[in-house]
Amino acid sequence: QKEVEQDPGPLSVPEGAIVSLNCTYSNSAFQYFMWYRQYSRKGPELLMYTYSSGNKEDGRFTAQVDKSSKYISLFIRDSQPSDSATYLCAMSAYGKLIFGQGTELSVKP
Amino acid sequence: DGGITQSPKYLFRKEGQNVTLSCEQNLNHDAMYWYRQDPGQGLRLIYYSQIVNDFQKGDIAEGYSVSREKKESFPLTVTSAQKNPTAFYLCASRKGEGEKLFFGSGTQLSVL
Repeated sequence: QKEVEQDPGPLSVPEGAIVSLNCTYSNSAFQYFMWYRQYSRKGPELLMYTYSSGNKEDGRFTAQVDKSSKYISLFIRDSQPSDSATYLCAMSAYGKLIFGQGTELSVKP
Repeated sequence: DGGITQSPKYLFRKEGQNVTLSCEQNLNHDAMYWYRQDPGQGLRLIYYSQIVNDFQKGDIAEGYSVSREKKESFPLTVTSAQKNPTAFYLCASRKGEGEKLFFGSGTQLSVL
């Protein structure tokens, strides 16, 4: 079993839709949770970072962590064509930082 | 400018050859990481180092080796034992646990 599972998609939505991206994990030692966005053949860029259960909001993005269920989510409101990219969840514990498979998102005008 | 520099941008390997990918950072970060990315896939952890002269295997370390003789440098050698080395390799660093991860621009390795 992989430590982090993420649905690879692809996911296609119309402009303005609410997007929900999810990851599950098996290692309860993970303490820090991140969401990255990656455009083709570029280094990923950090979108959201949290270390506690609950919600964290930043503009159109909301990160949600449920440690009891080992489940994290990223919500994108009012999605834009410029949001089209691959979204990766990442988790960290004791220095080890691993990523999910990434979900490819396409927002159609 | 502070950042992470990976070189070369493109690299070709012949059968049975070892190749080394360079990663240098001037951010004064303690932790450094190597990831492999295959088309349509996420990032898989190869090796990581939290301090000079120490490193740990990631999830796919077989066929790879690293060294961490200096804080600024974390080179990755792809050995001939790695039978499927064609991939995009990303180096990253951060100050420590819970800190933001910074990425280099990547190296695309292909087999001739």
